[in-house]
Amino acid sequence: AQSVTQLDSQVPVFEEAPVELRCNYSSSVSVYLFWYVQYPNQGLQLLLKYLSGSTLVKGINGFEAEFNKSQTSFHLRKPSVHISDTAEYFCAVSDRRSGYALNFGKGTSLLVTP
Amino acid sequence: EAQVTQNPRYLITVTGKKLTVTCSQNMNHEYMSWYRQDPGLGLRQIYYSMNVEVTDKGDVPEGYKVSRKEKRNFPLILESPSPNQTSLYFCASSPGTQPPQYFGPGTRLTVL
Repeated sequence: AQSVTQLDSQVPVFEEAPVELRCNYSSSVSVYLFWYVQYPNQGLQLLLKYLSGSTLVKGINGFEAEFNKSQTSFHLRKPSVHISDTAEYFCAVSDRRSGYALNFGKGTSLLVTP
Repeated sequence: EAQVTQNPRYLITVTGKKLTVTCSQNMNHEYMSWYRQDPGLGLRQIYYSMNVEVTDKGDVPEGYKVSRKEKRNFPLILESPSPNQTSLYFCASSPGTQPPQYFGPGTRLTVL
């Protein structure tokens, strides 16, 4: 069975600083990997996805992530954060065998302060 | 505008009173699914559908029903709601057979 571990439940960071949100997964088959963002009282928005191909994935709002198969990781990065990036971030894994169900991590709360 | 819509957005009801949460997408997506989000438990899949008339159980299907008579709609039915179904519900869709990429705004359900 697949699972996702988001290593930090909360990440405080100053505005314009870089940030990395960590995600590790376990799966016995080829996986698809995703990062979603959830702003307060809103639904989930897809930030980026890895389905195949290049291991460096660029997403919206200046975020990127790198798929590392040997370390089973898919860490999310942004070189310079804004106050508006304050939100909950979810890493998720999926595969064909699970009917493409998304298996989510518990989430990382990113708090950007001036 | 491409979107997934859910109705109602908020609902307070009582135990045992049947309810339906509607979900509709305007992107002609084949794949649709329902998730619930609970504090400490995260997001879990309830049901999914790979196409019209094709549905299957997710991780937590007990107490729920779905139907997929049309490609755009995927309603979630609670025949006899119970307090443990109090949750935030999300509908999601994606093209072809890919994991969900577009989520609705959510339906906050409270069962008293």
